[in-house]
Amino acid sequence: GENVEQHPSTLSVQEGDSAVIKCTYSDSASNYFPWYKQELGKRPQLIIDIRSNVGEKKDQRIAVTLNKTAKHFSLHITETQPEDSAVYFCAARGLGGSARQLTFGSGTQLTVLP
Amino acid sequence: KAGVTQTPRYLIKTRGQQVTLSCSPISGHRSVSWYQQTPGQGLQFLFEYFSETQRNKGNFPGRFSGRQFSNSRSEMNVSTLELGDSALYLCASSKAAQETQYFGPGTRLLVL
Repeated sequence: GENVEQHPSTLSVQEGDSAVIKCTYSDSASNYFPWYKQELGKRPQLIIDIRSNVGEKKDQRIAVTLNKTAKHFSLHITETQPEDSAVYFCAARGLGGSARQLTFGSGTQLTVLP
Repeated sequence: KAGVTQTPRYLIKTRGQQVTLSCSPISGHRSVSWYQQTPGQGLQFLFEYFSETQRNKGNFPGRFSGRQFSNSRSEMNVSTLELGDSALYLCASSKAAQETQYFGPGTRLLVL
């Protein structure tokens, strides 16, 4: 089945700096890659997603890039703010059978220092 | 539009007992997926239901089961609870399979 690896597991940045979180996936048939943000004690919330027919997607300070050849995708957060502090999860999903489920990375604890 | 709701929010059980968790999806969403979240294993897929049918199942023992009703509400059941079942159980709904999933607040289960 699909395997998603996420790095780094923890990331500390100064407020205003950029943060980058990287994920690699194993199933070349995967075609959907969402990113979720989970604040302490709260539900995971979708912040951005990308499909395999697109190389990059941007939403204000957040962007995701996808390299299908290398089977990796990254989350970029610019001008970080203290409220960006949370655990971020990447995920991948394929088309059929067991590949249809979302497989999550292990998460990145992002801390934005004021 | 109301989000995904889950009941109960917190639950304490003892080993050997069974538990039933409930998930009400966003109105109009017909697909419900369940996940187990633990500090050590992260978010792991349990199963997915669409139109009252289980469409996909993760790598969990048969003690974990679920069902979906005609109104798309879903329940999951864990029988013969073990200490290792202590976790946050999250459900997520989507309009259909392969669509964006939106998570509920989760049920935190503690097994003593």
